[in-house]
Formats: sequence, C-alpha cells, structure tokens
Amino acid sequence: NAGVMQNPRHLVRRRGQEARLRCSPMKGHSHVYWYRQLPEEGLKFMVYLQKENIIDESGMPKERFSAEFPKEGPSILRIQQVVRGDSAAYFCASSPRDGVGYQPQHFGDGTRLSIL
Amino acid sequence: QKEVEQNSGPLSVPEGAIASLNCTYSDRGSQSFFWYRQYSGKSPELIMFIYSNGDKEDGRFTAQLNKASQYVSLLIRDSQPSDSATYLCAVNFNNDMRFGAGTRLTVKP
Repeated sequence: NAGVMQNPRHLVRRRGQEARLRCSPMKGHSHVYWYRQLPEEGLKFMVYLQKENIIDESGMPKERFSAEFPKEGPSILRIQQVVRGDSAAYFCASSPRDGVGYQPQHFGDGTRLSIL
Repeated sequence: QKEVEQNSGPLSVPEGAIASLNCTYSDRGSQSFFWYRQYSGKSPELIMFIYSNGDKEDGRFTAQLNKASQYVSLLIRDSQPSDSATYLCAVNFNNDMRFGAGTRLTVKP
C-alpha cells in the first residue's frame, strides 16, 4: 500500500548549491502539490501540477524555484542557489483525477532541507 | 485571494473535555472541507472531511459545516493527551486546496 513517497527525507546543502526534492504520488493519483513549512508555522502552498502541466504556481517564489511533473517519473521541486532562508520542511501531497473538488490530499513524509 | 483562517491557539483543554476548533474561509464556491492533524515533526494526516451543511460524526470527532456563514469546525469529544497536535483546516475548490495556519491543541492529563 504505497503512499506518497518523498526523497530524500533529509537534505543538507551549502549556500549556493542546488537542491532537488522528489515526490512520487500514490498509485492512481495524477495531481501533485508542493508545500513549504517553516518551524512552528503553517503549510504554505507552492505549486499544483498534473502530468506535464503546471496548474497553479501562485505560491512559488519567482526566482530560483521550479517544479515539474514529467510524463514518466516523479515530480521534482528544484531550488537553485539555495540560501539559509530556504531551510524548511517541504511536503508533497497527491490526489486522484476523479472527483475534482471533493478529493482529499494525501501527504508524504516530507523532505527536511537544511542549508549550511 | 482564497483565504482560510484559524485561531492559531494554543488551545488547552483538560483530559476528557470537548475541544472545539474553528475555521472560516473566504471562497463561497468551495466544495469540500477537510481537517488534518499534524504532530510535531510529522506530516499532516487526514482525520475528517465534510461536503454538506450540518454535522458529520466519526468516533470522537464531529465536523460541522455552515456554508452560509462560511464556517467549518471540528469537535473532539473525550479529549486525550494523544490528541495534542496542530489541527489544519483545508478548503477545496476544483482541486485547488488551501490550508489554514493551524490551531495548536494541548490536552492536559
């Protein structure tokens, strides 16, 4: 019963490096969402994707951040030239195609990104 | 701008009491409403969902929805220390889900 799989669980990068976070949705799910959560704060929506399409990226910073969900393989959240302020937990969630508007999102365990 | 508002708390209740968590939302077209529980350092976990006005009960949990007032709540009966967590309200419109900042609940033995 594979749920949403995120890897790595923990990622350490130095300032200026690139961070790549991966997310494989639950089987049968075609919608992927990325969220960022700072310590003691709520979930901040970043981006909503379907296969090969970005549906809503209104929560993504305009620079250094990008996301994709290719036809084959996991969704990738990419952060270029990381800075200390990028340190956070990044959660991925997925939902099925059917029942638009009525389906819950199921979350992965998250990637904890630490910037040195 | 779709917004979901929750009282950040902390909300503290004694063991065995009823905990009441509230949420308001701005988008009248919202279709479905969810409550997630998040333990510290863990990912959010779905505990309840509701689509229609009224109450929905599941064990010790009751979700209440009033679309006219754009208000959704979660009641936890017979609160236990293990219920201590942050509770996130989420509102869905066409798969565009928005989360509140969460209410931190502490249940004291």
